[in-house]
Amino acid sequence: NAGVTQTPKFQVLKTGQSMTLQCAQDMNHNSMYWYRQDPGMGLRLIYYSASEGTTDKGEVPNGYNVSRLNKREFSLRLESAAPSQTSVYFCASSEANEKLFFGSGTQLSVL
Amino acid sequence: QKEVEQDPGPLSVPEGAIVSLNCTYSNSAFQYFMWYRQYSRKGPELLMYTYSSGNKEDGRFTAQVDKSSKYISLFIRDSQPSDSATYLCAMSKSGGYQKVTFGTGTKLQVIP
Repeated sequence: NAGVTQTPKFQVLKTGQSMTLQCAQDMNHNSMYWYRQDPGMGLRLIYYSASEGTTDKGEVPNGYNVSRLNKREFSLRLESAAPSQTSVYFCASSEANEKLFFGSGTQLSVL
Repeated sequence: QKEVEQDPGPLSVPEGAIVSLNCTYSNSAFQYFMWYRQYSRKGPELLMYTYSSGNKEDGRFTAQVDKSSKYISLFIRDSQPSDSATYLCAMSKSGGYQKVTFGTGTKLQVIP
């Protein structure tokens, strides 16, 4: 079982560039999430999708957009990357409860 | 003040030791409590999941919740080098979808 798959694993961007992080899950979960993890800050929720067709802002949504493409896929887009968005990004899914299943992460550096 | 506080460590113990990891929290509305384990350069994985106060045991791992003190613990018995990881506590207010609040994690090293 693949679980939650994220691509790419590593990315380096220049300030102002855009990119999309891809996430897919094969567990037939309704809910999907994007988190960022920074030293000393823990995991912080960027956006979530409680079910197919819905998306909502989390704790730190500024500078990001998301698309719930279908039940399996949830993408995160940085329209104009900034150095403050240097972080490790995790996608997660759950069956509408707190038992989150995480992908292996994308390490993003914005220069 | 953060809603969830967790000592970042690092915590180094010899193989076979009993490890105690702890979190405190300020929001009395939290009812669901979790521990995630995160190996280096990997995503967190759910280790323990408990509801309200009490203990839950799974193999070498025991999760303990004391809602009156707003304090949760994870005990690891007979610790192994493979237990070396960062342990994140997490909690949420109610069932169904709700925002999960994470601690910053405690880095554990078990020395052979």
